[in-house]
Parts: sequence; C-alpha cells; structure tokens
Amino acid sequence: NAGVTQTPKFQVLKTGQSMTLQCAQDMNHEYMSWYRQDPGMGLRLIHYSVGAGITDQGEVPNGYNVSRSTTEDFPLRLLSAAPSQTSVYFCASSYMQGSSYNSPLHFGNGTRLTVT
Amino acid sequence: AQSVAQPEDQVNVAEGNPLTVKCTYSVSGNPYLFWYVQYPNRGLQFLLKYITGDNLVKGSYGFEAEFNKSQTSFHLKKPSALVSDSALYFCAVLSSGTYKYIFGTGTRLKVLA
Repeated sequence: NAGVTQTPKFQVLKTGQSMTLQCAQDMNHEYMSWYRQDPGMGLRLIHYSVGAGITDQGEVPNGYNVSRSTTEDFPLRLLSAAPSQTSVYFCASSYMQGSSYNSPLHFGNGTRLTVT
Repeated sequence: AQSVAQPEDQVNVAEGNPLTVKCTYSVSGNPYLFWYVQYPNRGLQFLLKYITGDNLVKGSYGFEAEFNKSQTSFHLKKPSALVSDSALYFCAVLSSGTYKYIFGTGTRLKVLA
C-alpha cells in the first residue's frame, strides 16, 4: 500500500522557472492538501481540496496554483519560482465522513525545493 | 483566528523518565486537536487526537495527551521515555466546521541514554 507519494524528492530551480510538484494517493481520500515546512515556522497550509474539482486557499497561497481533476492526484504548481519558496513541501490526505470533518492526515515524505 | 503555540523549541529528558511536550491553542468553536511526530527526512505521522469525550486520550507508541478546556491546552505525555522517541513533535488544531489545519512550530524531543 503506497499511501501518499510525492515526486520529485529533491529539486533545484532558478528564479523565474516554473515547475509542478506531484502528489498521488491510493487510499481514495477525498481531502488533500499542501503544506510548506520552514525552520521555526512549523507547517503552513498552502492549498487544500475536499474533492475532485474543488480547491481552496490556505494560509500562504500566493505564488502557487493547484487543481484536482481526479480523486487520486493533487499537483502543486509554482508559476515563477522565487528564493522565498525554498522550503520542504508536504502533501497530505485524509478521508472525510459524516457531517463533521476531523480526520487525521496521512503525509507523503516531502519534496525539498531550492530556488537559487 | 486559529493558532497553536508550542512554547518549547526543545525538550531534553533522560531515558526512563516521564516526558511532557506542551501545546496551547486558540480557536473559535469546538477544537479538534492532534499530535504528529516527524522523524528525519520523513513526513509527519499521526499519534493521537481529541475530538470529544474523555479528556485523556491514548495514542500510538505509549503516548497520551490531556485536553484541558479551561487552560486551552493539549499536552503530550509519556510515562517512560525511550531513546527512539527522539523526534520532532507537532501539535495541530482544526476548528469544527472548517478544513484548515493549523500547526504549531514544533518541539524537538531529545531522549538521552
């Protein structure tokens, strides 16, 4: 059971380049989300999705785009990379059941991105 | 606005001693509270959660946490620490009716042999 798979594991970009971080889950989870982890700042939510075709902004969405065309995949796009986007990025998913969402997250192993 | 505070960047404890990692929160509405652990170069792993009911919740690897509504705290505890418990621990809160987790800044736990 693969769980949440993130690719690539490492990436180096030059300022202004664009790229897509891939995230796939095989648990049929409705909820998927992207976080960035920076020293001393914990994890901050970038974007999230509660199902195919539905996305919403988190705490730090600027400079990032997402789409959710299938239940399994939730790619994160950097449109024009900046050094401030150097970080470790985590994708997480969870199931949603009932009228109240309170499910724990399943995390991928992260993508370490450096923008020079 | 929702927020989570983990006041200690690092906690050191001797193996076999009890450990506590502190967390306080601020939310509007009912809180759902979580603890996660992160080992080097890995994603976070779920340890335990409080949704409702008994204030003492038990989780994986012998960890437990106590929900205290009056102090808005959710401290993580373990009666006897192991060297293998050394890792980065995150507290997180989800306000009822929302989909946005808020994480604390993390506490590095070091268990000394």
